[in-house]
Amino acid sequence: NAGVMQNPRHLVRRRGQEARLRCSPMKGHSHVYWYRQLPEEGLKFMVYLQKENIIDESGMPKERFSAEFPKEGPSILRIQQVVRGDSAAYFCASSRGDTIYFGEGSWLTVV
Amino acid sequence: EDQVTQSPEALRLQEGESSSLNCSYTVSGLRGLFWYRQDPGKGPEFLFTLYSAGEEKEKERLKATLTKKESFLHITAPKPEDSATYLCAVQEGSSNTGKLIFGQGTTLQVKP
Repeated sequence: NAGVMQNPRHLVRRRGQEARLRCSPMKGHSHVYWYRQLPEEGLKFMVYLQKENIIDESGMPKERFSAEFPKEGPSILRIQQVVRGDSAAYFCASSRGDTIYFGEGSWLTVV
Repeated sequence: EDQVTQSPEALRLQEGESSSLNCSYTVSGLRGLFWYRQDPGKGPEFLFTLYSAGEEKEKERLKATLTKKESFLHITAPKPEDSATYLCAVQEGSSNTGKLIFGQGTTLQVKP
């Protein structure tokens, strides 16, 4: 039973470029979450999605960040016009019930 | 404001030396308290969920307990492979959105 799958695992972008991070939840899970872990900081909630719906985006920065979970295909976290401060580990998680399982993360480096 | 504080920040133990990690929380009604283990360069690995004061859960050398204000992760006779960062997180009572509030973690190093 595959876990939460994220890709790419590592991504390098120049300032001003776009970053797209993909996440496939565990089989049978319909709830997807994105969290961010900045260097030397704890994990911070960004957004909660169900198929075709954003349920809670209270942790998303107001600009440049967007997330989707289409009817078919993986969830996408999109960061436009990246800046150095966006360099972080981005974790996707999924759940069915109360237990939330995390993927291995996507490490974004902005140069 | 909901808050989670973990102590100590770092802990060094000799193999076999038992100890406890602390997680203090303030939340307006607790829906659940979660413990995760995170290895360098990896995602958090689920360990336990606790829901109410007095609850205890065990897995191998780990035992998690919960009171109204804090949780402890007890590690009995640790081995070097238990070295990792242990994360505590809470979910607020009215939240059904999977929004977890994480502490900063305790980095455990177990020396052979």
